[in-house]
Amino acid sequence: GDSVTQMEGPVTLSEEAFLTINCTYTATGYPSLFWYVQYPGEGLQLLLKATKADDKGSNKGFEATYRKETTSFHLEKGSVQVSDSAVYFCALKAGGGNKLTFGTGTQLKVEL
Amino acid sequence: DTGVSQDPRHKITKRGQNVTFRCDPISEHNRLYWYRQTLGQGPEFLTYFQNEAQLEKSRLLSDRFSAERPKGSFSTLEIQRTEQGDSAMYLCASSLVGSIDQPQHFGDGTRLSIL
Repeated sequence: GDSVTQMEGPVTLSEEAFLTINCTYTATGYPSLFWYVQYPGEGLQLLLKATKADDKGSNKGFEATYRKETTSFHLEKGSVQVSDSAVYFCALKAGGGNKLTFGTGTQLKVEL
Repeated sequence: DTGVSQDPRHKITKRGQNVTFRCDPISEHNRLYWYRQTLGQGPEFLTYFQNEAQLEKSRLLSDRFSAERPKGSFSTLEIQRTEQGDSAMYLCASSLVGSIDQPQHFGDGTRLSIL
């Protein structure tokens, strides 16, 4: 079946450091890929998405590129802020499907 | 533009009791989804509706769980005879039909605690 694997957290960084959160997937067909963010006490918010190979999703300084050859969708940000502290979820929606399949989430802590 | 609204935010109940949660989707969205999220895990799909029709149910949705969307607007998720293992965050999401790329928008969830 479809699955998403994310690097385990927590990831602790200093402010202005470079961020990478790894995400790989297994899916039939050509899925759409998403990153969602969950701030403490809140629901999930869509951060960015990509729907086909080599697409780059970007939002709020975050980027991720859909790499079909490595089945990856790694999340990056050049300079993190304390306000980026949250749990980040990688997810896929299989081609023709409707449900989202999520990874286990990666907690990011950014310190001054 | 109001987002997805869920009620209540928190529910504490004794094992064996029945509970019902409500979800109000974004007004023009015709698809509605329920997910369950346990501590330290990602959300897991339970079921989804297109308008009032329930089109897919996960094997996670045991016969103690029932979801409805009677008029194609709000939805309810009922759990009968609750068990300790039902303790989780129940998330509702909605989206538009029209493109497979339409993102799902999530509510803040209902946290269920079984005593």
